[in-house]
Amino acid sequence: AQSVTQLGSHVSVSEGALVLLRCNYSSSVPPYLFWYVQYPNQGLQLLLKYTSAATLVKGINGFEAEFKKSETSFHLTKPSAHMSDAAEYFCAVSPNSGYSTLTFGKGTMLLVSP
Amino acid sequence: DTGVSQDPRHKITKRGQNVTFRCDPISEHNRLYWYRQTLGQGPEFLTYFQNEAQLEKSRLLSDRFSAERPKGSFSTLEIQRTEQGDSAMYLCASRPQGEGGELFFGEGSRLTVL
Repeated sequence: AQSVTQLGSHVSVSEGALVLLRCNYSSSVPPYLFWYVQYPNQGLQLLLKYTSAATLVKGINGFEAEFKKSETSFHLTKPSAHMSDAAEYFCAVSPNSGYSTLTFGKGTMLLVSP
Repeated sequence: DTGVSQDPRHKITKRGQNVTFRCDPISEHNRLYWYRQTLGQGPEFLTYFQNEAQLEKSRLLSDRFSAERPKGSFSTLEIQRTEQGDSAMYLCASRPQGEGGELFFGEGSRLTVL
């Protein structure tokens, strides 16, 4: 069984400030972990993924995430927020084998103010 | 390079009517997934196909829901006797053969049941 908890349904930052979106996972087997972004009325776009290689993963648009097994966490960060980063962000987990489906968290809405 | 396409993008229907959504995955992807997303929630897994075989169904997929992928290419999701609780965004995703890896999502089909 696997699950994802995203702390905070909404996060507000000022433009230029650090972005930190939290994700904790539960998995009975070694996981693959993902962050997706969703803009209004659109599908999900992959930001980055962890598939058991480097624990610090860099993604698109300046985002990165660090896999910490001891803390069962995969938090998403970006040093400096842009207005265009305002969107909903979803963390997802899957077992690291086969066809396995992704299990998503409830999402965190990132609000960026000027 | 075309991504995952879904049709229609929006559907408004009256309670009790039947609706059908179509998904065309990325052409070389043999794995296809349907998810449902309601307001304020992350995507929830409905069903999965490998080629034309439906290999997994969620408990969320009631008897009123049926999905097919007759030739291992496009897929359809039909909802019979729609209920207001069926109002949601229905997301289709695909993935190539191989372990793990991300899902590639379409733009979604938004259903509103009046």
